Amino acid sequence: ETVMTQSPATLSVSPGERATLSCRASQSVRSNLAWYQQKPGQAPRLLIYGASTRATGIPARFSGSGSGTEFTLTISSLQSEDFAVYYCQQYNNWPPITFGQGTRLEIK
Amino acid sequence: EVQLVESGGGLVQPGRSLRLSCAASGFTFDDFAMHWVRQAPGKGLEWVSGIGWNSATTGYADSVKGRFTISRDNAENSLHLQMNSLRAEDTALYYCVRSNHAHLSGTIWFDPWGQGTLVTVSS
Repeated sequence: ETVMTQSPATLSVSPGERATLSCRASQSVRSNLAWYQQKPGQAPRLLIYGASTRATGIPARFSGSGSGTEFTLTISSLQSEDFAVYYCQQYNNWPPITFGQGTRLEIK
Repeated sequence: EVQLVESGGGLVQPGRSLRLSCAASGFTFDDFAMHWVRQAPGKGLEWVSGIGWNSATTGYADSVKGRFTISRDNAENSLHLQMNSLRAEDTALYYCVRSNHAHLSGTIWFDPWGQGTLVTVSS
């Protein structure tokens, strides 16, 4: 099973600043990685797939990068609605499809 | 508008069974593989099971293999999860999610997600 590890567990950032979230895979997943955003009481929403392709309707301030075992989600200028929990998911080595444990992005 | 609406959750005793359903609308259901993903209270996401467009292929997490059965009815645009021999650790919000293509193979990401149905396993 490919274990996905996200860091940090919690990230405190001020509105308008940049946030950088990391996701590491226990073995290569090539570029087969997605990112999701989950707000309290809501279902997750797809942000990024293919490590760097924004899903439909996702603002350009969200960007993804990386390949192999190291990935990054960057939010260039945080808006109030961006404070949420973010999960990475690999789909290269499955079953099972696996998720990271999540990074909580909170207002500083 | 694409919609996924789950139902069938509730409180059930350990060892008993429950059947979840997901009603899909707003898209051609048999153009897509479908999955169940769960989230225990206050925890992260766990993929549970997936099924290809024509039900020919299915997949399960080891934690549910042999106890859960996924199925779909393309005529009714519905997805189901039969859960037997339930355990306390199956307590979670169960999401119905659409895959990005028809097959249970290759690249798989999830979009969109339903709002979930809560399953609580407790005596």
